[in-house]
Amino acid sequence: QSVLTQPPSVSAAPGQNVTISCSGSSSNIGNNYVSWYQQLPGTAPKLLIYDNHKRISGIPDRFSGSKSGTSATLGITGLQTGDEADYYCGTWDSSLSAGVFGGGTKLTVL
Amino acid sequence: EVDLVESGGDLVQPGGSLRLSCAASGFIFGNYWMSWVRQPPGRGLEWVANIRHDGGEKYYVDSVKGRFTISRDNAKNSLHLQMNSLRVEDTAVYYCGQGGDYDSPVDSWGQGTLVTVSS
Repeated sequence: QSVLTQPPSVSAAPGQNVTISCSGSSSNIGNNYVSWYQQLPGTAPKLLIYDNHKRISGIPDRFSGSKSGTSATLGITGLQTGDEADYYCGTWDSSLSAGVFGGGTKLTVL
Repeated sequence: EVDLVESGGDLVQPGGSLRLSCAASGFIFGNYWMSWVRQPPGRGLEWVANIRHDGGEKYYVDSVKGRFTISRDNAKNSLHLQMNSLRVEDTAVYYCGQGGDYDSPVDSWGQGTLVTVSS
C-alpha cells in the first residue's frame, strides 16, 4: 500500500489529453515538492517534472505538473504512442523521514 | 553527462547478505545527496534509503531499518548498500539515484541491478 495514491491506469487516443492524479497528506505532498517520473517499458525511471511544475530540460511542454493542497496532477496533452509508460509521483514525507512514491499509473495510448 | 552504474546484484538465500555498489561519474559526486530506490518484479517503485553529500545524514524506509546500511566513498565516487538479513520480499531491481533529499528529486537513475532472495 503506497503512501501516495495514483490511479492504476489511464488511457486515451493519440492526440487527446490526460491527467494523472496523485493524492497524499499534509506530511508529504501538502508540505513538500512533488516530482513526476516516467518509466518506459524495460527501462529505468526518468525524471520529468520537479518542484511541482518545473520541467526537466528537453521535456516537451506537452507535459505539465501542478499541485493543490495535498494532491498533485501530471497533465499530458497531444498524446503520442511514445508516451505509453508507467508514471510515478514522488515526494518526501516529513513524518516518516523517508521518500515516498505513488503506486504508479500505466498510461495506454489507444 | 551523469552516469550511474550499479553492481552486486545476485541470487541469495533468505537470511543472507549482499553489498550493492554504484559507480558515479559525470558530476561532482561529493556535492550531492544519493539514493537507493527498488522495484519488485512487476510492481512499483519503493524508496529505500538516502545519504547526505558528506555522509552525515542517512534515512531509511521502515522495512529495511536495522538490516540495510547506506554508505558512500566520495574519494572513489561510489555509493553502497549493505543488505543483511535479506528476506524474500527484498527481491527487486535496485536503482542508484543522484539526488533525492527532502526537497529535491532523484535527478538521474542508473540502469539497476537485480537482487533475488530465494531458497
